Amino acid sequence: AQTVTQSQPEMSVQEAETVTLSCTYDTSESNYYLFWYKQPPSRQMILVIRQEAYKQQNATENRFSVNFQKAAKSFSLKISDSQLGDTAMYFCAFMKLRPGGYNKLIFGAGTRLAVHP
Amino acid sequence: EPEVTQTPSHQVTQMGQEVILRCVPISNHLYFYWYRQILGQKVEFLVSFYNNEISEKSEIFDDQFSVERPDGSNFTLKIRSTKLEDSAMYFCASSASPSDEETQYFGPGTRLLVL
Repeated sequence: AQTVTQSQPEMSVQEAETVTLSCTYDTSESNYYLFWYKQPPSRQMILVIRQEAYKQQNATENRFSVNFQKAAKSFSLKISDSQLGDTAMYFCAFMKLRPGGYNKLIFGAGTRLAVHP
Repeated sequence: EPEVTQTPSHQVTQMGQEVILRCVPISNHLYFYWYRQILGQKVEFLVSFYNNEISEKSEIFDDQFSVERPDGSNFTLKIRSTKLEDSAMYFCASSASPSDEETQYFGPGTRLLVL
């Protein structure tokens, strides 16, 4: 069974600084996706970024980028130029790909990020 | 931008009562999911639904739970006889637009409180 581990329950960062959130996962699969979702105080789950395992290039979305180390099964999220609106719970999630498209997400326990002015 | 919607946003019910949580997935999506998040815990998969049938369910999704797509737009989760431990945030998600097959988009959630 796949597992996702986020070893940092809480992190804090000053506005405009850079912060990295860690995620490791355990799988024997070779074909999968990884995601970071953000959950602000409103508790809505918002997609931040995704990475296909077959791609060597790290995904980037504006101020958000990942460091995907497939051999190490590591998938960290870097937030550059942190903003107050980045304050949220961040969940790392794993998806095993299967034919048919109905693939469940397996979530980590989350990292609570606080951005301070 | 299209989004997943859920109603109600909050529901309070008595133990043993039936509740129905409603979701309207993104219109051209084909796969639908329910997840739940007990306060302070991780998000857990409940069930996936495709082509009008359940494609996978977790061990949480026992006989007290059911899902339905009663028309072309709604996707519902029914809990027949609620228990205290069903208190949680319930998220609906959908995926598989033609250009973005694997990403699941979540609704804002329904906060269920069972007393």
